[in-house]
Amino acid sequence: EPEVTQTPSHQVTQMGQEVILRCVPISNHLYFYWYRQILGQKVEFLVSFYNNEISEKSEIFDDQFSVERPDGSNFTLKIRSTKLEDSAMYFCASSRLVNNEQFFGPGTRLTVL
Amino acid sequence: SQELEQSPQSLIVQEGKNLTINCTSSKTLYGLYWYKQKYGEGLIFLMMLQKGGEEKSHEKITAKLDEKKQQSSLHITASQPSHAGIYLCGADISGSARQLTFGSGTQLTVLP
Repeated sequence: EPEVTQTPSHQVTQMGQEVILRCVPISNHLYFYWYRQILGQKVEFLVSFYNNEISEKSEIFDDQFSVERPDGSNFTLKIRSTKLEDSAMYFCASSRLVNNEQFFGPGTRLTVL
Repeated sequence: SQELEQSPQSLIVQEGKNLTINCTSSKTLYGLYWYKQKYGEGLIFLMMLQKGGEEKSHEKITAKLDEKKQQSSLHITASQPSHAGIYLCGADISGSARQLTFGSGTQLTVLP
């Protein structure tokens, strides 16, 4: 059964460093998403992406964040200058169409020291 | 106020018992998604509901969306230890279907 994959599973970085989180969505899906979950809190929407453009983003997704689909299979989330409060589990998700089920990856745990 | 409220926050049941988890919003739920999460892991898709009055079942799990599309329930019949985990409801409350708002989750423990 096709699934969303994410790498790395765990990333530790120093405050102020750049990180890139990688995702491979399900192959025939057209819509891609990033969410995050700070430990003990709700899952929060960050951004949705379609046709090589951001289609929606939340207030959390400020200028420090960017997304890219560098090739036909990968979808990345970049945080330019990490802060302590960026420590969270980051989930990638994809859906075939906009109104379809969103399938989530296993997540990348980001720890900012 | 919370946009999407889940209840109860936690639930401990004996194996074989039935249980219900609720998800309520003051806004219209244009799409309602149920997920299961094990602590520290990803979200596993269970079911999606879009129409008022819709009901879906998979194995021993049934999800319903009320006619007004403001409340959903997830019912597990004859619970098993494999049902244990965190159940999350996520909803499209903007109508764009491009972002989901999540509830705070229900931690389910099933005692053997």
